[in-house]
Amino acid sequence: AQKVTQAQTEISVVEKEDVTLDCVYETRDTTYYLFWYKQPPSGELVFLIRRNSFDEQNEISGRYSWNFQKSTSSFNFTITASQVVDSAVYFCALSGTSGGGADGLTFGKGTHLIIQP
Amino acid sequence: GAGVSQSPRYKVAKRGQDVALRCDPISGHVSLFWYQQALGQGPEFLTYFQNEAQLDKSGLPSDRFFAERPEGSVSTLKIQRTQQEDSAVYLCASSLAGRSYEQYFGPGTRLTVT
Repeated sequence: AQKVTQAQTEISVVEKEDVTLDCVYETRDTTYYLFWYKQPPSGELVFLIRRNSFDEQNEISGRYSWNFQKSTSSFNFTITASQVVDSAVYFCALSGTSGGGADGLTFGKGTHLIIQP
Repeated sequence: GAGVSQSPRYKVAKRGQDVALRCDPISGHVSLFWYQQALGQGPEFLTYFQNEAQLDKSGLPSDRFFAERPEGSVSTLKIQRTQQEDSAVYLCASSLAGRSYEQYFGPGTRLTVT
């Protein structure tokens, strides 16, 4: 069975601080995909990044960066110089490729990020 | 281009009523997914279509839940004899081809069963 754990339920920081959201996953698949989604107060899930299990290169996109470490089954997300508009719930998700699991994404419970001005 | 759309955005049903929730995926997206999101939780997978074929319905919580995508485009999630525990946000997502690709989500339908 697949599992995604986001241990941080809520994080509150002051604007311009850096913040890291943790994600730990479990899967028996050797090929799998990891995702991060943002859910702002409006409710719509916004896709941020997709990473396959064979690509351990870290990725940076503007103020966002992702650190994928297969050895620790982690896919952490860092926001540099946070802004109030970053306030949202962030979800980490996993998709396997074997036929035994469900075909949808397995989501973590989410981390509620609050950026205070 | 147009994203995933869902209707209605809000639905209030009396316990025991049947409801139908509609999803219009992104044009050209082969795969369509339904998820249920309870308050304060992550979305949970319900069912998956590839074109008109329902390839996975392992997440449907009971036989009161039924989904279809007859022409491989628009999909409907139907819940019969609604119960209070069905109250949740129902999210639809589409992807280019299968679960390995990123899924794009609609705004969801908030269902409240009274």
